[in-house]
Order: sequence, then structure tokens, then C-alpha cells
Amino acid sequence: KQEVTQIPAALSVPEGENLVLNCSFTDSAIYNLQWFRQDPGKGLTSLLLIQSSQREQTSGRLNASLDKSSGRSTLYIAASQPGDSATYLCAVRRGQGAQKLVFGQGTRLTINP
Amino acid sequence: DAGVIQSPRHEVTEMGQEVTLRCKPISGHDYLFWYRQTMMRGLELLIYFNNNVPIDDSGMPEDRFSAKMPNASFSTLKIQPSEPRDSAVYFCASSSGGGQPQHFGDGTRLSIL
Repeated sequence: KQEVTQIPAALSVPEGENLVLNCSFTDSAIYNLQWFRQDPGKGLTSLLLIQSSQREQTSGRLNASLDKSSGRSTLYIAASQPGDSATYLCAVRRGQGAQKLVFGQGTRLTINP
Repeated sequence: DAGVIQSPRHEVTEMGQEVTLRCKPISGHDYLFWYRQTMMRGLELLIYFNNNVPIDDSGMPEDRFSAKMPNASFSTLKIQPSEPRDSAVYFCASSSGGGQPQHFGDGTRLSIL
């Protein structure tokens, strides 16, 4: 059974710092991995999706990497801003024919001005 | 373009009452997903549809839960009778399949008293 873990559960950093959020999964046979952002009282916003054949994806100040063999992904946020404060979740998808996403519990990020 | 639309945004009702949650997916998306989010269990997939047909309902907790998708633009999740432990945020998401990301609605916050 696939399990997804995100550590730490919460992180607080001063504005302007570069930071890394971690995601690990127990079964390396994944189809893709997706990073989401969730603001309080809102749904999930898709940030980046990495296919199993890819090593990284970039969007603006965000960079996500994937190491399937070690069961790890990281989300790198450059030059953090208070507006980046949110909960970040990663989710893995097992196979092309399997649409189910398995989510981690998320990392609650606070960027202090 | 309009995203995934869920209604109501909030629902407070008494134990034993029937609850119906509604979802309109993004036009053109063939897949529709119902998730439940709680502090204890995080985000869990309840059921998903492909072309209006239920594909995997293994996450539906009990017979008290049922979901329908009568057409490509509408789905319901019904709980009858409701219990306090059903209190959670229920999300609907849709995707175009393949390796494409899932897009989430803002959720329905359900409180069963």
C-alpha cells in the first residue's frame, strides 16, 4: 500500500529565504507526482506535476524534483514571500490506468514579513 | 474558464438528516473525483467517475454514502442518514485524464451536529 509522508508538518521562515519542502513515498512504482497548494478555506491548486520519466519541473520561483528510486520529491521555493504562506501537499499516482491520487498530510508553511 | 463548482460551500445539519453535495466539473473533463479531508485522515479519495460511470468506489466509507453522475456536467454525493463523524470538508475534482493534473473545487464544509 502506497504511503506518502511530508516532513516537517509545519515550517516558519523569514521572508526572502529559499526553502525546501520534502515528500517521500514508499512504493517507487509511480506514474506521476503532483504538488498542490491549499489556502485556508479553499480547495487545492495544482502547482507542478512531474511525470515518472522526468527529474524536475519548474514554474516561476518553484522547482520540483523527483527521485523515483529513492522515493523522494522536493519542492524548492526561491525568495519566499508572505503570499507563499499556505499548506503544500504532494500526491502520487500509481499508474496510467489508475487515476487515484494518494496524498501526504501536507506541510503548513508560514513566511514571516 | 470556470473551475470546478461545488455547492453548498457550508452545510450544518442535525444527525440523521440527509445531506446532498453537488459538483459541476470543468467542461470537457472526463474524470470526476470526490474526496474527503479531515485533520485525522487527511485527503482521501471516496469515488471517481469516468464518462459518468463509477470506476472506483472503494473509498466510500459505508452504505450511507452514495454518489451519482447523471450527466457530464453534474454529480452528487449523498449521505443518508448523516452522523457527526461525517463532519469534514468534501472536495470535488475533475481532470481530462491521461497524465493531466486534477483541478479541485473550493469544497463543502459539512458539520453534522
